[in-house]
Formats: sequence, structure tokens, C-alpha cells
Amino acid sequence: TQLLEQSPQFLSIQEGENLTVYCNSSSVFSSLQWYRQEPGEGPVLLVTVVTGGEVKKLKRLTFQFGDARKDSSLHITAAQPGDTGLYLCAILGGSQGNLIFGKGTKLSVKP
Amino acid sequence: NAGVTQTPKFRVLKTGQSMTLLCAQDMNHEYMYWYRQDPGMGLRLIHYSVGEGTTAKGEVPDGYNVSRLKKQNFLLGLESAAPSQTSVYFCASSYSGGTERYTEAFFGQGTRLTVV
Repeated sequence: TQLLEQSPQFLSIQEGENLTVYCNSSSVFSSLQWYRQEPGEGPVLLVTVVTGGEVKKLKRLTFQFGDARKDSSLHITAAQPGDTGLYLCAILGGSQGNLIFGKGTKLSVKP
Repeated sequence: NAGVTQTPKFRVLKTGQSMTLLCAQDMNHEYMYWYRQDPGMGLRLIHYSVGEGTTAKGEVPDGYNVSRLKKQNFLLGLESAAPSQTSVYFCASSYSGGTERYTEAFFGQGTRLTVV
């Protein structure tokens, strides 16, 4: 059973469109992270959310942590080709607090 | 700033051969991780270390061994490579883990391994 479920798995949109991707779980987390991975590179941290209901903005990206701290969403406004990549959510889990990742949403933004 | 450096970047092995992947970080991080990434499977944890001289198994440890003799280095070994180990391998490090709420993982650029 996957601890973190991300949806959709794939998303292909045109430049200028808006989109939302989701990260869901049945467990409660103290914090949740979003990473972006560009082709041929390692993931890079975008944001950490820690408080239920928290909203953080990073330019055109808006991140929200669910009130119950079981889910999170990432909304991109007016997507650009540079937003293309794999978006991963992650939490601290395991017996010694190692990072656990969802399978990711692969986003393709066409010009 | 180097951050996390993985060597080699590409490698082709024959079935049964052995090799070691090297990960080096210059941020004085305690935690280091080895992940493999396969299409549709996301990042899966192979082994990790919470400090020099310690290692622990992750989600998919079979067929791999690791060592953390120095704080800055984390080695991943394949004793007898199999085609199922064809993957992209990522090393990562973080300042802390456990109950810490603020932990950023820094990743290397990956090693693309093909076993034929």
C-alpha cells in the first residue's frame, strides 16, 4: 500500500492553462514537502508545509496543506513550458524518519 | 558549491558483475540516502544512514549493500548485478530526519545504470 497517493499520474496541457495536482494519504503528517524533478536531474525542494490549512505561494505555484494534515495540493497558474517536470510529494516516515516519496505527477506543458 | 556529487553518471554492467556507486556531500549532513527511480514507481528507498558508521535497510534493499565509513561519503554496492537492477540511482542527504519538521533533502544528479 502506497503511503502517499499522487494524482493525476500524467498531465499534458497547453501553455497558459491552470492545473492542480494532489497528494493524498489516510495518515496524518507533521509536515509535507513538494519537490520538482526536471529531466536528467535530481529532485529539488519547492516548499515545506507544516500547519493544517496552510497556504504557501511560490510565484505562480500555490501549495495547500489540508486542514487535517492528510493531504496537499499544488496549483499552477498560467503554466509555462519551464514548469515541465515530475512533481513529487514527500513526508518524513519510517522507523528513523527517512523521507518517503509519492510516485509523482509527470507534467508536460506544451508551447 | 558542490552539494551532493555522484559518480559515475552512467555505467553499463554485464549480469553478475559488481560495482560501487559513490556519493559525496560537502554540507556536513547527518542523513544520507540511496534511492532508485524506475518508470511509474517513483523514488524507492534502498538503504539509508543516520550518521557515520550506521546504515539501515529501506524499502528495496535486496541485492545491494552500503557503507558509511566517513560522514561525507555513502557507498552503494552491487555484488552481482542483475537486469532487474537497471535503473536510475539517486543519492540524497539531509541535515536531520526523525521528528524534525524541517528537513530538506538535497539530491545528486543521478547514476544511470544498465545491466545487460
